[in-house]
Amino acid sequence: DGGITQSPKYLFRKEGQNVTLSCEQNLNHDAMYWYRQDPGQGLRLIYYSQIVNDFQKGDIAEGYSVSREKKESFPLTVTSAQKNPTAFYLCASADSFNTEAFFGQGTRLTVV
Amino acid sequence: AQSVTQLGSHVSVSEGALVLLRCNYSSSVPPYLFWYVQYPNQGLQLLLKYTSAATLVKGINGFEAEFKKSETSFHLTKPSAHMSDAAEYFCAVSMDTGRRALTFGSGTRLQVQP
Repeated sequence: DGGITQSPKYLFRKEGQNVTLSCEQNLNHDAMYWYRQDPGQGLRLIYYSQIVNDFQKGDIAEGYSVSREKKESFPLTVTSAQKNPTAFYLCASADSFNTEAFFGQGTRLTVV
Repeated sequence: AQSVTQLGSHVSVSEGALVLLRCNYSSSVPPYLFWYVQYPNQGLQLLLKYTSAATLVKGINGFEAEFKKSETSFHLTKPSAHMSDAAEYFCAVSMDTGRRALTFGSGTRLQVQP
């Protein structure tokens, strides 16, 4: 089946650690996105990529990094510089900016 | 810059009653507008989208939305609520210039009372 796969579903991080969230799609989409969701704040854009080897910062990129070495993959690293990383992270992909974005099932990150 | 405002973080209706979820957008150029639904601990699913064709857009599960340029609105409606409609709903906007990514509203949680 075509779709977007995020892993892991739940992730626990100790203070000061970097962690990487995986996002893979087999929809042959050019664009991929990372959003952070906090209660009552909707989804906020962290990073996005329109093509391979290119990506742009969103509204809350500080403390995060990404790479886009393959069309299918857009991993997100939450670095120790991110002061409040506990949140629900959603990855999405789309053919283009004006078409439907397909979402993964999310990764819930908790700092312990 | 593009932005979205959803009025009412929580809406409660009785089963069988009309559902109305409000969305207003700000965009300097003709926007593309979307409504998504999210069930607990899940990703988002597209309900419907407006991409400059018909102003009244029909989506899945009996939902529809009307694009009103004069009011910069894209409200979501359903004539008769069902218990299974209880979820969080997000309005989103995208434009053909600048940042080509969806901007989301803060969401409206719909509660359906029996």
